[in-house]
Amino acid sequence: GESVGLHLPTLSVQEGDNSIINCAYSNSASDYFIWYKQESGKGPQFIIDIRSNMDKRQGQRVTVLLNKTVKHLSLQIAATQPGDSAVYFCAETNTGFQKLVFGTGTRLLVSP
Amino acid sequence: DGGITQSPKYLFRKEGQNVTLSCEQNLNHDAMYWYRQDPGQGLRLIYYSQIVNDFQKGDIAEGYSVSREKKESFPLTVTSAQKNPTAFYLCASAGFGAEAFFGQGTRLTVV
Repeated sequence: GESVGLHLPTLSVQEGDNSIINCAYSNSASDYFIWYKQESGKGPQFIIDIRSNMDKRQGQRVTVLLNKTVKHLSLQIAATQPGDSAVYFCAETNTGFQKLVFGTGTRLLVSP
Repeated sequence: DGGITQSPKYLFRKEGQNVTLSCEQNLNHDAMYWYRQDPGQGLRLIYYSQIVNDFQKGDIAEGYSVSREKKESFPLTVTSAQKNPTAFYLCASAGFGAEAFFGQGTRLTVV
Protein backbone atom coordinates (compact mmCIF):
# COMPACT_ATOMS: atom_id res chain seq x y z
CA GLY A 1 0.00 0.00 0.00
CA GLU A 2 0.91 3.68 -0.08
CA SER A 3 3.83 4.32 2.22
CA VAL A 4 3.41 7.44 4.26
CA GLY A 5 5.87 8.91 6.67
CA LEU A 6 9.12 8.15 4.84
CA HIS A 7 10.38 11.70 5.32
CA LEU A 8 8.12 13.00 8.03
CA PRO A 9 9.36 13.84 11.52
CA THR A 10 9.29 10.69 13.62
CA LEU A 11 8.48 10.22 17.29
CA SER A 12 9.58 6.88 18.75
CA VAL A 13 8.14 5.75 22.08
CA GLN A 14 7.87 2.60 24.16
CA GLU A 15 4.53 0.89 24.70
CA GLY A 16 2.87 2.34 27.77
CA ASP A 17 4.58 5.72 27.50
CA ASN A 18 2.64 8.92 26.94
CA SER A 19 3.15 10.54 23.52
CA ILE A 20 2.97 14.21 22.63
CA ILE A 21 2.69 15.27 19.00
CA ASN A 22 2.97 18.96 18.17
CA CYS A 23 1.64 21.07 15.33
CA ALA A 24 2.02 24.71 14.37
CA TYR A 25 -0.91 26.10 12.41
CA SER A 26 -0.69 28.96 9.98
CA ASN A 27 -3.91 30.98 9.87
CA SER A 28 -4.86 33.14 12.82
CA ALA A 29 -8.44 33.21 11.45
CA SER A 30 -8.81 29.43 11.85
CA ASP A 31 -11.42 28.56 14.44
CA TYR A 32 -11.71 24.78 14.24
CA PHE A 33 -8.90 22.24 14.52
CA ILE A 34 -8.86 18.50 13.97
CA TRP A 35 -6.38 15.69 14.56
CA TYR A 36 -6.31 12.76 12.14
CA LYS A 37 -4.54 9.39 12.18
CA GLN A 38 -3.43 7.84 8.90
CA GLU A 39 -2.32 4.24 8.51
CA SER A 40 -0.35 3.15 5.48
CA GLY A 41 -2.41 3.00 2.30
CA LYS A 42 -5.57 4.32 3.94
CA GLY A 43 -7.45 7.58 4.25
CA PRO A 44 -7.05 9.68 7.41
CA GLN A 45 -9.34 8.89 10.35
CA PHE A 46 -10.75 11.45 12.77
CA ILE A 47 -9.31 11.34 16.30
CA ILE A 48 -10.41 14.48 18.11
CA ASP A 49 -11.29 18.10 17.42
CA ILE A 50 -11.28 21.41 19.25
CA ARG A 51 -12.83 24.82 18.59
CA SER A 52 -11.08 28.11 19.16
CA ASN A 53 -13.20 28.98 22.19
CA MET A 54 -11.54 26.11 24.09
CA ASP A 55 -7.94 25.43 25.07
CA LYS A 56 -8.24 21.77 26.04
CA ARG A 57 -10.42 18.84 25.10
CA GLN A 58 -10.20 15.24 26.22
CA GLY A 59 -11.26 12.03 24.58
CA GLN A 60 -10.56 8.40 25.28
CA ARG A 61 -6.78 8.24 25.89
CA VAL A 62 -6.29 11.43 23.84
CA THR A 63 -6.14 15.10 24.78
CA VAL A 64 -5.80 18.08 22.47
CA LEU A 65 -4.36 21.38 23.67
CA LEU A 66 -4.74 24.65 21.77
CA ASN A 67 -2.58 27.72 22.30
CA LYS A 68 -3.94 30.48 20.07
CA THR A 69 -1.32 32.98 21.21
CA VAL A 70 1.46 31.05 19.50
CA LYS A 71 -0.75 29.17 17.01
CA HIS A 72 0.14 25.77 18.40
CA LEU A 73 -1.74 22.50 18.81
CA SER A 74 -0.68 19.35 20.57
CA LEU A 75 -2.08 15.84 20.72
CA GLN A 76 -1.35 13.80 23.82
CA ILE A 77 -1.86 10.05 23.70
CA ALA A 78 -1.88 8.28 27.05
CA ALA A 79 -0.51 4.76 27.51
CA THR A 80 0.55 4.49 23.88
CA GLN A 81 -0.04 1.11 22.26
CA PRO A 82 1.53 -0.54 19.18
CA GLY A 83 -1.78 0.02 17.37
CA ASP A 84 -1.22 3.76 17.73
CA SER A 85 1.69 3.56 15.28
CA ALA A 86 0.68 5.71 12.31
CA VAL A 87 1.12 9.17 10.85
CA TYR A 88 -0.71 11.94 12.68
CA PHE A 89 -1.86 15.15 11.03
CA CYS A 90 -3.39 18.31 12.40
CA ALA A 91 -5.82 20.24 10.23
CA GLU A 92 -7.22 23.74 10.51
CA THR A 93 -10.21 25.52 9.04
CA ASN A 94 -12.41 28.54 9.40
CA THR A 95 -15.99 27.35 9.67
CA GLY A 96 -17.17 30.29 7.56
CA PHE A 97 -15.02 29.36 4.57
CA GLN A 98 -14.54 25.63 5.18
CA LYS A 99 -11.13 25.49 3.51
CA LEU A 100 -9.54 22.57 5.36
CA VAL A 101 -5.73 22.69 5.37
CA PHE A 102 -3.40 20.03 6.78
CA GLY A 103 -0.11 20.35 8.63
CA THR A 104 3.00 18.40 7.67
CA GLY A 105 2.41 15.36 9.88
CA THR A 106 4.37 13.30 12.39
CA ARG A 107 5.06 9.58 12.25
CA LEU A 108 4.57 7.82 15.58
CA LEU A 109 6.44 4.54 16.12
CA VAL A 110 5.51 2.50 19.19
CA SER A 111 7.84 -0.29 20.27
CA PRO A 112 6.53 -3.23 22.31
CA ASP B 1 -23.92 2.01 4.68
CA GLY B 2 -23.19 5.70 5.10
CA GLY B 3 -19.86 6.93 3.94
CA ILE B 4 -17.63 8.28 1.26
CA THR B 5 -16.51 6.13 -1.65
CA GLN B 6 -13.63 6.66 -4.01
CA SER B 7 -13.11 4.67 -7.18
CA PRO B 8 -11.10 3.12 -8.60
CA LYS B 9 -8.61 2.16 -5.91
CA TYR B 10 -5.80 1.92 -8.47
CA LEU B 11 -5.62 3.80 -11.77
CA PHE B 12 -3.04 3.78 -14.52
CA ARG B 13 -2.73 6.57 -17.03
CA LYS B 14 -0.65 6.97 -20.12
CA GLU B 15 1.18 10.22 -20.53
CA GLY B 16 -0.95 12.83 -22.26
CA GLN B 17 -4.28 11.31 -21.19
CA ASN B 18 -6.93 12.84 -18.99
CA VAL B 19 -8.36 10.65 -16.24
CA THR B 20 -11.28 11.16 -13.89
CA LEU B 21 -11.36 10.00 -10.28
CA SER B 22 -14.75 9.39 -8.71
CA CYS B 23 -15.86 10.50 -5.25
CA GLU B 24 -19.37 9.85 -3.94
CA GLN B 25 -20.83 10.50 -0.48
CA ASN B 26 -24.20 9.66 1.07
CA LEU B 27 -23.64 11.63 4.26
CA ASN B 28 -25.64 14.65 3.05
CA HIS B 29 -22.53 16.81 3.47
CA ASP B 30 -22.34 20.18 1.75
CA ALA B 31 -18.54 20.46 1.66
CA MET B 32 -16.27 18.18 -0.36
CA TYR B 33 -12.51 18.20 -0.85
CA TRP B 34 -9.75 16.71 -2.99
CA TYR B 35 -6.20 16.26 -1.69
CA ARG B 36 -3.00 14.95 -3.20
CA GLN B 37 -0.48 13.00 -1.13
CA ASP B 38 3.01 12.12 -2.31
CA PRO B 39 5.12 9.45 -0.55
CA GLY B 40 6.34 10.66 2.81
CA GLN B 41 4.43 13.89 2.50
CA GLY B 42 1.34 15.55 3.90
CA LEU B 43 -2.01 16.28 2.26
CA ARG B 44 -2.12 19.17 -0.18
CA LEU B 45 -5.48 20.70 -1.11
CA ILE B 46 -6.35 20.62 -4.81
CA TYR B 47 -9.97 21.85 -4.90
CA TYR B 48 -12.87 22.17 -2.51
CA SER B 49 -16.56 22.82 -2.82
CA GLN B 50 -18.86 24.28 -0.19
CA ILE B 51 -22.08 23.84 -2.13
CA VAL B 52 -23.47 22.41 -5.34
CA ASN B 53 -22.40 24.22 -8.53
CA ASP B 54 -19.61 26.07 -6.73
CA PHE B 55 -15.97 25.20 -6.03
CA GLN B 56 -12.70 26.93 -5.17
CA LYS B 57 -9.08 26.28 -6.02
CA GLY B 58 -6.86 24.95 -3.30
CA ASP B 59 -3.09 25.28 -3.09
CA ILE B 60 -2.18 23.05 -6.07
CA ALA B 61 -5.08 23.33 -8.56
CA GLU B 62 -2.98 23.64 -11.72
CA GLY B 63 -3.50 20.66 -14.02
CA TYR B 64 -6.70 19.54 -12.30
CA SER B 65 -10.40 20.25 -12.81
CA VAL B 66 -13.54 19.42 -10.84
CA SER B 67 -17.30 19.67 -11.09
CA ARG B 68 -20.07 19.69 -8.48
CA GLU B 69 -23.30 19.08 -10.32
CA LYS B 70 -24.79 16.98 -7.51
CA LYS B 71 -24.41 17.22 -3.76
CA GLU B 72 -23.31 13.58 -3.57
CA SER B 73 -20.59 13.72 -6.21
CA PHE B 74 -17.32 15.61 -6.67
CA PRO B 75 -15.26 14.06 -9.50
CA LEU B 76 -11.66 15.11 -10.08
CA THR B 77 -10.11 15.16 -13.56
CA VAL B 78 -6.35 14.96 -13.80
CA THR B 79 -5.52 16.60 -17.10
CA SER B 80 -2.52 16.22 -19.38
CA ALA B 81 -1.38 19.62 -18.10
CA GLN B 82 -0.49 18.03 -14.76
CA LYS B 83 3.17 17.18 -15.34
CA ASN B 84 3.67 14.86 -12.37
CA PRO B 85 0.31 13.21 -11.63
CA THR B 86 1.57 10.03 -9.96
CA ALA B 87 0.29 10.29 -6.38
CA PHE B 88 -2.28 9.10 -3.86
CA TYR B 89 -5.52 11.09 -4.16
CA LEU B 90 -7.89 11.50 -1.25
CA CYS B 91 -11.45 12.80 -1.26
CA ALA B 92 -13.27 14.03 1.84
CA SER B 93 -16.64 15.48 2.80
CA ALA B 94 -17.80 17.47 5.80
CA GLY B 95 -20.95 18.85 7.34
CA PHE B 96 -20.97 22.52 8.31
CA GLY B 97 -18.56 23.16 11.18
CA ALA B 98 -17.79 19.46 11.60
CA GLU B 99 -14.93 17.10 10.91
CA ALA B 100 -14.21 15.81 7.42
CA PHE B 101 -14.58 12.13 6.59
CA PHE B 102 -12.20 10.59 4.08
CA GLY B 103 -12.49 7.96 1.41
CA GLN B 104 -9.89 5.21 1.09
CA GLY B 105 -8.03 6.93 -1.72
CA THR B 106 -7.10 6.35 -5.35
CA ARG B 107 -3.51 5.62 -6.31
CA LEU B 108 -2.79 7.07 -9.73
CA THR B 109 0.27 5.93 -11.66
CA VAL B 110 1.49 7.28 -14.99
CA VAL B 111 2.86 4.55 -17.24
